[in-house]
Amino acid sequence: DGGITQSPKYLFRKEGQNVTLSCEQNLNHDAMYWYRQDPGQGLRLIYYSQIVNDFQKGDIAEGYSVSREKKESFPLTVTSAQKNPTAFYLCASSQWVDQPQHFGDGTRLSIL
Amino acid sequence: AQKITQTQPGMFVQEKEAVTLDCTYDTSDQSYGLFWYKQPSSGEMIFLIYQGSYDEQNATEGRYSLNFQKARKSANLVISASQLGDSAMYFCAMREGFGGGSNYKLTFGKGTLLTVNP
Repeated sequence: DGGITQSPKYLFRKEGQNVTLSCEQNLNHDAMYWYRQDPGQGLRLIYYSQIVNDFQKGDIAEGYSVSREKKESFPLTVTSAQKNPTAFYLCASSQWVDQPQHFGDGTRLSIL
Repeated sequence: AQKITQTQPGMFVQEKEAVTLDCTYDTSDQSYGLFWYKQPSSGEMIFLIYQGSYDEQNATEGRYSLNFQKARKSANLVISASQLGDSAMYFCAMREGFGGGSNYKLTFGKGTLLTVNP
């Protein structure tokens, strides 16, 4: 079945460490997105990409980096510069601007 | 100013009754889209319904309907015949503009936690 796969489901980061969250889609969607969700809050956009080898910062990009080398993959790196990385991270994809975004099951990141 | 406002942090409804979840939005664009998503406790985001700003009829999808009042800038979600499985967080989101990169972005409200009582 087509969908979005995020891994790992749970991730723990040590102080000063970079960690990478994986997002893969087999929906053949052009656009992909990364959101952060804090407890009791809505989703905030970190980065998004409309096509391969191109991406734009969202509302809270500081301390994060992304790459889009393949259409189906959009990994997110949480760098040591992100001082408060504990959150739920959701990856999404969509085809056209008025089509709904499809989401993965999310990755919960915590600090050790 | 917030672009999406959901004023109800929590709502309760009896099983089999209807419930309305409020959403107001703020935009100066003529072309925009409004989405509702459901987030169960497991965390995944499930798309429910979409309304485009130029759509003349209110959107419906099964037990979900969107009460779109453009002049009031409101896009309330109506769930009919509530079921226990409807208990979840519900998010309203907006896509602004048309053409160009930024309009792929969605802005989300803070959500409403719906609890369906047996």
